[in-house]
Amino acid sequence: ELKVEQNPLFLSMQEGKNYTIYCNYSTTSDRLYWYRQDPGKSLESLFVLLSNGAVKQEGRLMASLDTKARLSTLHITAAVHDLSATYFCAAGRDSGTYKYIFGTGTRLKVLA
Amino acid sequence: EAQVTQNPRYLITVTGKKLTVTCSQNMNHEYMSWYRQDPGLGLRQIYYSMNVEVTDKGDVPEGYKVSRKEKRNFPLILESPSPNQTSLYFCASSPRVYYEQYFGPGTRLTVT
Repeated sequence: ELKVEQNPLFLSMQEGKNYTIYCNYSTTSDRLYWYRQDPGKSLESLFVLLSNGAVKQEGRLMASLDTKARLSTLHITAAVHDLSATYFCAAGRDSGTYKYIFGTGTRLKVLA
Repeated sequence: EAQVTQNPRYLITVTGKKLTVTCSQNMNHEYMSWYRQDPGLGLRQIYYSMNVEVTDKGDVPEGYKVSRKEKRNFPLILESPSPNQTSLYFCASSPRVYYEQYFGPGTRLTVT
């Protein structure tokens, strides 16, 4: 059964600091997604990682995928208040179904 | 404007009263999906559809029905709602399976 675990669940950080959110998944899914959700809002796609070693960057966010370790990371560089949101990773399952499994999310609060 | 729309956005109903939440996308996407979001549980997939007339269960399908008679529409039906179906529901679509998903604005359902 595919499971996706994120940590930490909550993250409070100072502006200007760096931090990493971790996403572990339990089977051989090779597609990993990151989404952002602002309070009271819907989800928007940040990154789609499709192969081992994939790295994508957008502004202060960088995502990477290691399929051998079954690990994806979302690295935040020099955090700013506007990055405060909940971040979800999700894995696509390949074993004959076309489901998605989401992690429980990491609530990030960037303090000024 | 390319978008996923859901209606209603808010709904309070009573146990056992059948309801339908509509979902429509104008992007000609093949893949559509329903999720529920509950605190501490992240998003869980209810049903998904690969294309017209092709639907399958996600991880939490009990108590829900779906249909995909047209490519653009994917309604979620609760035949006999119960209080444990009180949740925030999101519809999502993507060009094909394993592309990034575009989420609707959400429907907050309360069953008393």
